Amino acid sequence: QSALTQPPSASGSPGQSVTISCTGTSSDVGGYHYVSWYQKYPGKAPKLMIYEVSKRPSGVPDRFSGSKSGNTASLTVSGLQAEDEADYYCSSYAGSNNLVFGGGTKLTVL
Amino acid sequence: QPQLQESGPGLVKPSETLSLTCTVSGDTVRSRTYYWGWIRQPPGKGLEWIGSIYFSESTYYNPSLKSRVTISVDTSKTQFSLRLSSVTAADTAVYYCARLGCSSVTCYSHFDYWGQGTLVTVSS
Repeated sequence: QSALTQPPSASGSPGQSVTISCTGTSSDVGGYHYVSWYQKYPGKAPKLMIYEVSKRPSGVPDRFSGSKSGNTASLTVSGLQAEDEADYYCSSYAGSNNLVFGGGTKLTVL
Repeated sequence: QPQLQESGPGLVKPSETLSLTCTVSGDTVRSRTYYWGWIRQPPGKGLEWIGSIYFSESTYYNPSLKSRVTISVDTSKTQFSLRLSSVTAADTAVYYCARLGCSSVTCYSHFDYWGQGTLVTVSS
């Protein structure tokens, strides 16, 4: 299985919206409704932000939303805030109890 | 909510076996509800799923690591472990243990609780 493809970087100004893509194949992202997104600060553990494409865990602001079209999933952060600056990773179920992560996207708040 | 903590040597010599333990408090790895897993992040790189375990019955490994990985549960303790054999410098990474969360649909789609991670360096 290959890692999911994410852009290395994304950026936006405070208050703006930014969307991060996560591209896989029909064997992972496109084949299942099990895409999740994680926020990660340097030196810290990843934090679950979105699961099953678009569901938010309790406590995650509704500024974070997820979607999927075909083999590409997306994370949108609306109303960007300084504390949103972090690395974001997508993950997908890939069949046969395999899981796969994306390479990560560094989000910069300008 | 569960708390997870990784422990083990921070330095392993090439060709030897890396061994880590994850201690879980506030939950039990003996639960027949949750899966538990290991994930790693090499310096400057992305996250990589290593494998998962359910109770002490079923294990699932990343195909790229399968020949070298063993994940097990200590049923007498609230711990699960990772062993990675024949390590090289490419196995240098921060290793995380985590719980796979449940939704109304599945208990195998996302990691909801993570340990803080432990850096393992492979070097002679």
